[in-house]
Amino acid sequence: QSVLTQPPSVSAAPGQKVTISCSGSSSNIGNNFVSWYQQFPGTVPKLLIYDNNKRPSGISDRFSASKSGTSATLVIAGLQAGDEADYYCGASDGSLSTNWLFGGGTKVTVL
Amino acid sequence: QVQLQESGPGLVKPSQTLSLTCTVSGDSITSGSYYWSWIRQPAGKGLEWIGRINYSGAAKYSPSLKGRVTISVDTSNHQFSLKLNSVTAADTAVYYCARGRPYGSGTRSLDPWGQGILVTVSS
Repeated sequence: QSVLTQPPSVSAAPGQKVTISCSGSSSNIGNNFVSWYQQFPGTVPKLLIYDNNKRPSGISDRFSASKSGTSATLVIAGLQAGDEADYYCGASDGSLSTNWLFGGGTKVTVL
Repeated sequence: QVQLQESGPGLVKPSQTLSLTCTVSGDSITSGSYYWSWIRQPAGKGLEWIGRINYSGAAKYSPSLKGRVTISVDTSNHQFSLKLNSVTAADTAVYYCARGRPYGSGTRSLDPWGQGILVTVSS
């Protein structure tokens, strides 16, 4: 069981906004960077957000993220059919941050 | 641009040892003090971090797999490897290797990832 808690699924109509939460604790999110990964069925996870709120080159600005305390949030604005995928949060964990945790993943469905 | 590629047997018998190798190309495995990680994903399930190693050989493992897993590095061949012993059907998964950007003793993010390799545990 993941110590980073995400909702199993979220959905919205095209053009709308979805928010995905990632809840952790002081041993992970509270004291470490959060990153987000996008995975389409049968493909490799791709880094979507790093260092809590930074987008790698080539990632649309429709994707944004934030962190507050022991929780993090990913927002997808202007939802498109091509955004339908699984999204995972991740963060270091442990007293020395030497472990790593993934959230359980959230399936985004475009209605 | 750095690329990672997993290799190894796609079928392992129960109770035996799963052995995989990740080959790093496009950059030296010793540059940047990165953490080289293994992650797995059973079919239809989420991602599970297995462990990581740096170029000097310092490894850290998931508490849930500690005792069964060993990660090693071969800097001369730009490779790092995973061994998971006493496997069962529950270890059937796609196994990925990935590069971790460090900060202190922690990892900031995992990127890039290898293409993944499906390993099935079955007799």
